[in-house]
Amino acid sequence: GEDVEQSLFLSVREGDSSVINCTYTDSSSTYLYWYKQEPGAGLQLLTYIFSNMDMKQDQRLTVLLNKKDKHLSLRIADTQTGDSAIYFCAELDSSYKLIFGSGTRLLVRP
Amino acid sequence: GAVVSQHPSRVICKSGTSVKIECRSLDFQATTMFWYRQFPKKSLMLMATSNEGSKATYEQGVEKDKFLINHASLTLSTLTVTSAHPEDSSFYICSASTARGNTGELFFGEGSRLTVL
Repeated sequence: GEDVEQSLFLSVREGDSSVINCTYTDSSSTYLYWYKQEPGAGLQLLTYIFSNMDMKQDQRLTVLLNKKDKHLSLRIADTQTGDSAIYFCAELDSSYKLIFGSGTRLLVRP
Repeated sequence: GAVVSQHPSRVICKSGTSVKIECRSLDFQATTMFWYRQFPKKSLMLMATSNEGSKATYEQGVEKDKFLINHASLTLSTLTVTSAHPEDSSFYICSASTARGNTGELFFGEGSRLTVL
């Protein structure tokens, strides 16, 4: 079945860039998403990329998609302490279902 | 942006009772709503897809008689956990699809934390 995988944890220093990686298995995915979840809260859509794009930039966020390798990454420039959260990547499958990765916990050290 | 509201945000109930969680799209009509369950330190697992006016489609392994989903209008879907047991304690999150553009964006509610004693 479809599967989305992420590393569980990432720690960076404030001001550095963070790169969160994700791999997926469904080659028919149309959209790929990055969501942010703060403690005890729901999910906040950060950004998304259509499957025919290689890159999307949105302020401090850069999404890179390598469709051949089924690899998605989220780069956060100038990471701030407020960026500490769990980041989920997700793919939208052909049934319009979101398949989530396990989430990457980002810790930003001052 | 689109707003999805869940209520209640937290609920504690006794084992054997039923609990209803509401999911509302506040500023758009949601033809389709999704219900997810999140286990501690784990990802979200899709429970069911709810289309307005029709029966929900449940994912494999999800008991439809235990998790009753009703999508009576374009702005409201409800999840009822019947005869709740401690193992049903979890964080339940709904999302709704918006027809704006072709982005396929889904917007999530804030989640409802259920604790069954």
